[in-house]
Amino acid sequence: NAGVTQTPKFQVLKTGQSMTLQCAQDMNHNSMYWYRQDPGMGLRLIYYSASEGTTDKGEVPNGYNVSRLNKREFSLRLESAAPSQTSVYFCASSYEIVGTDTQYFGPGTRLTVL
Amino acid sequence: KQEVTQIPAALSVPEGENLVLNCSFTDSAIYNLQWFRQDPGKGLTSLLLIQSSQREQTSGRLNASLDKSSGRSTLYIAASQPGDSATYLCAVLDSGTASKLTFGTGTRLQVTL
Repeated sequence: NAGVTQTPKFQVLKTGQSMTLQCAQDMNHNSMYWYRQDPGMGLRLIYYSASEGTTDKGEVPNGYNVSRLNKREFSLRLESAAPSQTSVYFCASSYEIVGTDTQYFGPGTRLTVL
Repeated sequence: KQEVTQIPAALSVPEGENLVLNCSFTDSAIYNLQWFRQDPGKGLTSLLLIQSSQREQTSGRLNASLDKSSGRSTLYIAASQPGDSATYLCAVLDSGTASKLTFGTGTRLQVTL
């Protein structure tokens, strides 16, 4: 039982390049999330998927797109990376959006945009 | 807009001390409040989750309380150990239509020998 896995762990991009961050969970959770963590700002929600087939914007969605590929996988795409997107990105999952269960987090992807 | 504040930002205590971490939030319309632990370079691990109808939750040496009306929560760590050194994050789940977790910026705890 791996929990939430993320690839890659580290990435360096040049401004304007694109990339996709991958996330998968094996806990049969319905809801999945993408956050970014920046120094002094706490974690902020980028996008979330309440259930397979649905996605919604979070607090900071600009510059990102997401795909809920199936129940297990939720990817985050940067179409044209900017230095402001340098951050640590966390994927998380939970059984449902609102409930008694917590969110389970992956180990993060450390992205640097030059 | 919900805002979550954690004080202090950093704390250093000798091993064995009992300590309290504080969390405050501006909108009391929450579904639950959670405390997470984050080790350097790692993801978040859930420690305790308190539903809005509850006053406290306990797990081992950890006790979290919630006073929804005043917008406050505390995390009490008894008999601290060097292994408790980490950043502790508080997060609230709003009970509005777009429920999402709002995180504080964390308290970085160091427990010294």
